[in-house]
Parts: sequence; structure tokens; C-alpha cells
Amino acid sequence: EPEVTQTPSHQVTQMGQEVILRCVPISNHLYFYWYRQILGQKVEFLVSFYNNEISEKSEIFDDQFSVERPDGSNFTLKIRSTKLEDSAMYFCASRDRVGYEQYFGPGTRLTVT
Amino acid sequence: TQLLEQSPQFLSIQEGENLTVYCNSSSVFSSLQWYRQEPGEGPVLLVTVVTGGEVKKLKRLTFQFGDARKDSSLHITAAQPGDTGLYLCAGFTGDDKIIFGKGTRLHILP
Repeated sequence: EPEVTQTPSHQVTQMGQEVILRCVPISNHLYFYWYRQILGQKVEFLVSFYNNEISEKSEIFDDQFSVERPDGSNFTLKIRSTKLEDSAMYFCASRDRVGYEQYFGPGTRLTVT
Repeated sequence: TQLLEQSPQFLSIQEGENLTVYCNSSSVFSSLQWYRQEPGEGPVLLVTVVTGGEVKKLKRLTFQFGDARKDSSLHITAAQPGDTGLYLCAGFTGDDKIIFGKGTRLHILP
């Protein structure tokens, strides 16, 4: 069964460093999403992406964040200068053209020290 | 700001009992999804409801979308220890943004 994959599973970085989180969505899906979940809190929407551009973004997704689909399979989230408060699980999700079903990846745990 | 309120936050019941958990909002959603999330893992989609009043069944789980598409419920019949977990609802707004509730943490005692 097709699934969304994410790498790395855990990333530790120092404050101020850039990180890139990678996702491979389900192959025939057209809509892509990033979410984050701070430990013990709810899943928060960051950004949606369709047709090589951002569809929607939340207040969390400021100038420090960017997304890219560099090729036909990968979808990346970059944080330019990480802060302690960026420590969280980051989930990628995708869905196809028809329907609302989103499928989530297993997440990347980002720890900023 | 659109919000989804889930209730109760925590529920602990005996195996074999029935239960209902709720997801409420003052906003209308294009669709509403229910997920289950295990610790340290991504949410796993259980069901999507789209039409007001829609009812979907998944074995012992029954999901209902409110007539006005602002709320939903999840009913579990004859709960089993394997049903233990965090149940999340998420609403799809018309502009490709998804809002999650905080979840109901369910614990089924054997």
C-alpha cells in the first residue's frame, strides 16, 4: 500500500542552524501539506502546496520557513534559522485531486538545542 | 479563528461498554476527518465525512457529520482494549487549510 515517507526520523540541530526536512508523498497525489505538533499539543497546520506554489499558510509559517518540490517526488520544508521553540514533530501529508483524504507520514522529530 | 473542540479530553471505560466522543465548532467545514494517533507516530486516517447528516460505519465505529456540517461524533460499540488511543478530528476549510482538534484520549480497561 502506498505511503508517505519522511526523512530523517530524528534531527538534532543547534539554534540558528538551517534544517531541511524531507518528504516523499504518495506518487499520484497532487496536494501536499506540512504540519507540526509540539509535544503534548495539537497538530497545527503550517502550509499547503499545489501546482508548485503555496495554496495556504498559517501564522506560524513565517519568513523563516519555506517549502519546495525540487523534483517529481520530494517535498521539503526548510527552516532557515532554527529557534528553540521550533522543536516539535513535523508531519508531511498528501492527498489526491479527488476527495479530502489526507495521508500522513510518520514524522520527523526536530530537536533544537 | 476557526476552532474544533473535542470532548471529552480523556475517557476511561471498561471493555464492552459503548462510548461517544464529540467534535464541535461554530464554523462550517467542507469535510471532517477522524484520525487515530499513537505516541510518536503520524495520524492515521479513519474516515472522512462530507455531506451534512452523513453516517459512516467502520466495524464497531460509527461516525456522524452534523446536519449543518459544524460538528461530528464518533460512537464506539463494545469497546475493546485495542481501541485505546488518541482520536483526533480535523476540519477541512474551503481554502485547503485543515484545522485539528486537541483530541480525545481514550483508555479501555480490560
